[in-house]
Amino acid sequence: SQQGEEDPQALSIQEGENATMNCSYKTSINNLQWYRQNSGRGLVHLILIRSNEREKHSGRLRVTLDTSKKSSSLLITASRAADTASYFCATAVYNQGGKLIFGQGTELSVKP
Amino acid sequence: EPEVTQTPSHQVTQMGQEVILRCVPISNHLYFYWYRQILGQKVEFLVSFYNNEISEKSEIFDDQFSVERPDGSNFTLKIRSTKLEDSAMYFCASSEASAVGGQYFGPGTRLTVT
Repeated sequence: SQQGEEDPQALSIQEGENATMNCSYKTSINNLQWYRQNSGRGLVHLILIRSNEREKHSGRLRVTLDTSKKSSSLLITASRAADTASYFCATAVYNQGGKLIFGQGTELSVKP
Repeated sequence: EPEVTQTPSHQVTQMGQEVILRCVPISNHLYFYWYRQILGQKVEFLVSFYNNEISEKSEIFDDQFSVERPDGSNFTLKIRSTKLEDSAMYFCASSEASAVGGQYFGPGTRLTVT
């Protein structure tokens, strides 16, 4: 697998349900960041989790990081139609400065 | 809330022409980046810039590309002689104090090369 691969590639849920997206990576990292992108628009920074952190919360978002498995998950609780977007994980690889390596993304569709 | 801005939002140019994409990073940020996203593909790193010099660049960032911080606020990406395959969304990003801090992206410039 490539650095920063998300799964599933697409996820469709009903409003109010939780959405979980996963990301796997291959190399040692400084941090892992999650972004949201609405169709054809810019990347919105959601949350950053450092390599020495295991879990982080921000509003309805919960991110976990398991460096032993080289994986992260993003949980969106009580989803809304406005959460419909593509979600990307991006890894800041250890010792490569600030360069971010992005995954292919998960396309989330939240139906009202 | 401070944000990264980019101009223009859409640029159409003919193959072989030079283009300059402009970005205004968040004012107290010190690290600047350009990324691109070809339609339907991943976001790809192009270059990082700190202390008025390139700190890292990807294989994509060849001699046709250059970056500059001409004054205290703007950060530009120049493509000297555009090719069809340069058509993409180009994103500028900035980071506050550390090369490994959160990066905040602008809305992007869609470059179409015909």
